[in-house]
Amino acid sequence: AQKVTQAQTEISVVEKEDVTLDCVYETRDTTYYLFWYKQPPSGELVFLIRRNSFDEQNEISGRYSWNFQKSTSSFNFTITASQVVDSAVYFCALSEAEYSSASKIIFGSGTRLSIRP
Amino acid sequence: GAVVSQHPSWVICKSGTSVKIECRSLDFQATTMFWYRQFPKQSLMLMATSNEGSKATYEQGVEKDKFLINHASLTLSTLTVTSAHPEDSSFYICSARDLRGGVGETQYFGPGTRLLVL
Repeated sequence: AQKVTQAQTEISVVEKEDVTLDCVYETRDTTYYLFWYKQPPSGELVFLIRRNSFDEQNEISGRYSWNFQKSTSSFNFTITASQVVDSAVYFCALSEAEYSSASKIIFGSGTRLSIRP
Repeated sequence: GAVVSQHPSWVICKSGTSVKIECRSLDFQATTMFWYRQFPKQSLMLMATSNEGSKATYEQGVEKDKFLINHASLTLSTLTVTSAHPEDSSFYICSARDLRGGVGETQYFGPGTRLLVL
């Protein structure tokens, strides 16, 4: 069975600090996809990144970076120099092979991130 | 990028009434649509998967007779909450998948519908 664990329920940091959100997943599939989504107070999900299981390269996008390690089944997300606008709930998610109509996205429980000015 | 809309964005209804929520893919054809439910401060839980022209597949514990899903066209899926009760109050989110291709995210999420049952 697939499972996504986000052990950090809430994190609060002061603006400009770096913060890492942890994500650990379980799956028996050899091909799978990992995602991070941001959910601001408005509720609308904002897609941040998708990574397939064959691509372990870390990725950086501006202040955001992701560390994918298959050996530890982790896909952690780091925000550098955090800003108040980064305050939101962040979800890590997992799905099976992309082009299967039966595949579905399994979400972690989310981490509520608060950035204090 | 692909856009998915939901209507209405919020709805308040009396207990016992039925509520219909629409999910539309605006610039692509969605062969598969998903319906999620999110209670306050909780994660998104998949309710059902609907494929155009066929019956929806419901997740364990979701009452198919209470949550009616219709995916009659490649751009529209509807979720009807029948005989709604206060415990059905939640944030309902749909997503749509374009199996013909797509770079980036595999599913495109709608903005959600907040349902409050009094």
